[in-house]
Amino acid sequence: ETGVTQSPTHLIKTRGQQVTLRCSSQSGHNTVSWYQQALGQGPQFIFQYYREEENGRGNFPPRFSGLQFPNYSSELNVNALELDDSALYLCASSLAGTGVNYGYTFGSGTRLTVV
Amino acid sequence: GQNIDQPTEMTATEGAIVQINCTYQTSGFNGLFWYQQHAGEAPTFLSYNVLDGLEEKGRFSSFLSRSKGYSYLLLKELQMKDSASYLCAVGSSNDYKLSFGAGTTVTVRA
Repeated sequence: ETGVTQSPTHLIKTRGQQVTLRCSSQSGHNTVSWYQQALGQGPQFIFQYYREEENGRGNFPPRFSGLQFPNYSSELNVNALELDDSALYLCASSLAGTGVNYGYTFGSGTRLTVV
Repeated sequence: GQNIDQPTEMTATEGAIVQINCTYQTSGFNGLFWYQQHAGEAPTFLSYNVLDGLEEKGRFSSFLSRSKGYSYLLLKELQMKDSASYLCAVGSSNDYKLSFGAGTTVTVRA
């Protein structure tokens, strides 16, 4: 079975631009969660998608948005980029109904640098 | 909300034992997780505790006391490859998100 894959691995953007990050969930998983990890910090929950709808959101402004597709893959979109958006963005997939304790698998992340 | 605290850094010698403590305050507790994260890589699952007590998995053990809001991860027979950040995370019963501490960087020296 394949794990969680994210693209691109690294990205440099200018302040004010928009960015789209992509995630393919692990085979058999139907839920995708996105996390932001600033340097030296733990991951912070952005939001979760299940059945193509947002299913919970952390303390992030509306310029952070997402999508989930019928094949359970997902996108994270960030508009009007700010310098503080520079971070590692992690995608994690899981199987809804089994709880967080089962198969919460992280991808290797996208390193976003905003200049 | 969640408030999770763990030490920033720890250093130990190869072959030794290190204990990483984690305290938490949470509403709707649904388990405590430990993840290992090497620099530039994804967090990888180490352990999960939902009931009080000790869970042992080879060289790694994890302990939970729900009444005290306390957990620890015990790393035995340390190896150089154990140098990494160790993340304590709490699961919420209200949703499927994890709330993470800032991580403890463990450095293993020869």
